[in-house]
Amino acid sequence: AQSVTQPDIHITVSEGASLELRCNYSYGATPYLFWYVQSPGQGLQLLLKYFSGDTLVQGIKGFEAEFKRSQSSFNLRKPSVHWSDAAEYFCAVGVYTGNQFYFGTGTSLTVIP
Amino acid sequence: GAVVSQHPSWVICKSGTSVKIECRSLDFQATTMFWYRQFPKQSLMLMATSNEGSKATYEQGVEKDKFLINHASLTLSTLTVTSAHPEDSSFYICSARDRGYGNQPQHFGDGTRLSIL
Repeated sequence: AQSVTQPDIHITVSEGASLELRCNYSYGATPYLFWYVQSPGQGLQLLLKYFSGDTLVQGIKGFEAEFKRSQSSFNLRKPSVHWSDAAEYFCAVGVYTGNQFYFGTGTSLTVIP
Repeated sequence: GAVVSQHPSWVICKSGTSVKIECRSLDFQATTMFWYRQFPKQSLMLMATSNEGSKATYEQGVEKDKFLINHASLTLSTLTVTSAHPEDSSFYICSARDRGYGNQPQHFGDGTRLSIL
């Protein structure tokens, strides 16, 4: 069965520091991979997506993610975090044969001055 | 970009009231829309998949008669919480996918916070 794991429930980083949020998936084939961000009381905004091709994908707001098939991972990174990046981040997997997305449990990011 | 509008953003009502939430795709057509429920500090739980012109597909454990879904057009799906009770209080989020693009991401509305007194 498909599943998505975000091992870190909560991460705190200093403003200006680098960030990496982990995501691991379980799926029999190459999945479609997504990262979303959710600010408090808001819906989800797509940061980036991976379908095929270059395994390093660039997204909005300076985020990037790297797909590593051997590790079944799709970690999200940002070289320098801004206070406005504080939010909840969700990794999601889309399967080819259906409409459904599988979401991770989310990682809450706190940015300290 | 693809925009999904969800209305209302916040509802407070008495127990026993039925509440309707609208989800609209503003600049694309969506044959499929999704309704999620999110509890505080938790991930999204898919409630149902709304298919234009046909019945919705509900996830296991979701009461069909409690959460009525109508997808009357390619740009509008509605979720009606019937005879709402305090335990139905939650954050409800809809999403939609652009038709014709099977591998495209879901685009999310801003959510509706439902509070039942």
